[in-house]
Amino acid sequence: AQSVTQLGSHVSVSEGALVLLRCNYSSSVPPYLFWYVQYPNQGLQLLLKYTTGATLVKGINGFEAEFKKSETSFHLTKPSAHMSDAAEYFCAVSGSGRSYIPTFGRGTSLIVHP
Amino acid sequence: NAGVTQTPKFRVLKTGQSMTLLCAQDMNHEYMYWYRQDPGMGLRLIHYSVGEGTTAKGEVPDGYNVSRLKKQNFLLGLESAAPSQTSVYFCASTQSVLEQFFGPGTRLTVL
Repeated sequence: AQSVTQLGSHVSVSEGALVLLRCNYSSSVPPYLFWYVQYPNQGLQLLLKYTTGATLVKGINGFEAEFKKSETSFHLTKPSAHMSDAAEYFCAVSGSGRSYIPTFGRGTSLIVHP
Repeated sequence: NAGVTQTPKFRVLKTGQSMTLLCAQDMNHEYMYWYRQDPGMGLRLIHYSVGEGTTAKGEVPDGYNVSRLKKQNFLLGLESAAPSQTSVYFCASTQSVLEQFFGPGTRLTVL
């Protein structure tokens, strides 16, 4: 069984400030981990993913995430927030099962203030 | 390539009416999924398909049916719509565990 917990349904930051969105997971097998972003009135798109190898993963738009097995965490960060980063962010975990079904967290809405 | 497309984009139904949502993908993906998104609930899997002619139940299948007669299409049906089915519906497809590709969504309101 696998599950994802995203801490905080809303995170508010000022433009230029550090962005930190938290994600903890549980998985009975080595996980694949993902962050997806959803802009208003759009579908989800992949921001970054961890499969194997380097635990620090870089994605699009300056975002990165670090896989910490000991903490079962995959937190998303960005050094300096931009107004265009305002969106809903979803963490997801997937195993290697045939159906490739990920489990999504409930989402965190990132609000960026000028 | 259009990627994943969904038809219609918006729909308003009255309780008890039926409708079909169409998802189409042009990436030759084997796996296709239907999710619903509700505020504070994230994405919940309704049904999925691992290939043409196959379907399986997800987390919240009640009140929905699906069909995958062609590899590129995945249809989601509501036989008798209920207000609890008011939601945003997303279709996704993939060929591997590495990424799901999502459509733009269908916003459904059931009165």
